[in-house]
Amino acid sequence: DAKTTQPTSMDCAEGRAANLPCNHSTISGNEYVYWYRQIHSQGPQYIIHGLKNNETNEMASLIITEDRKSSTLILPHATLRDTAVYYCIVRVADSGNTPLVFGKGTRLSVIA
Amino acid sequence: DTGVSQDPRHKITKRGQNVTFRCDPISEHNRLYWYRQTLGQGPEFLTYFQNEAQLEKSRLLSDRFSAERPKGSFSTLEIQRTEQGDSAMYLCASSPGLALAKNIQYFGAGTRLSVL
Repeated sequence: DAKTTQPTSMDCAEGRAANLPCNHSTISGNEYVYWYRQIHSQGPQYIIHGLKNNETNEMASLIITEDRKSSTLILPHATLRDTAVYYCIVRVADSGNTPLVFGKGTRLSVIA
Repeated sequence: DTGVSQDPRHKITKRGQNVTFRCDPISEHNRLYWYRQTLGQGPEFLTYFQNEAQLEKSRLLSDRFSAERPKGSFSTLEIQRTEQGDSAMYLCASSPGLALAKNIQYFGAGTRLSVL
């Protein structure tokens, strides 16, 4: 079972920041937080990951609380192409032996 | 484009028939994964290869399912005697096998199977 809890759906106005929350209260010290998204009719796409520090890349920012029990994915200027299902996943940092365990994710709708 | 490629994109079959899907991973990725996704759910892990060795299979992979990666490059997933419950999107992913959290999985667009 997924170790994360996410809202089922969210709306965001185009051009505004989209803030997607994720609860992972049982996260272990050696587990990272990963975010993937899945645009309709496509496979999941990696966005970002982090352990305990905030992370930023060209797609998004990841804010992890100090106790690591929750995190927020931030899309700073959402566009219509960001409409997708966003999955928050906690996973042991290893060399790939651990498969990804997806929950149902958050369906983000970016509205013009 | 050198992303993960899956073929076919869509497959319609009658109950009881056998089907085979192919996945071509990103070149030099030694890890290859198969997932299944039904409507409204996130992907569920089926099996995983490191090079040609199949290292893990989930309980979802019944004896009607078989996966191979004979030369450590492309992989095939075969479903024998298909059932309507097999209707789903079958996703393939590959990863480079790098250490720690950088072992990101890259997904193909999937094969959508419809069993009539």
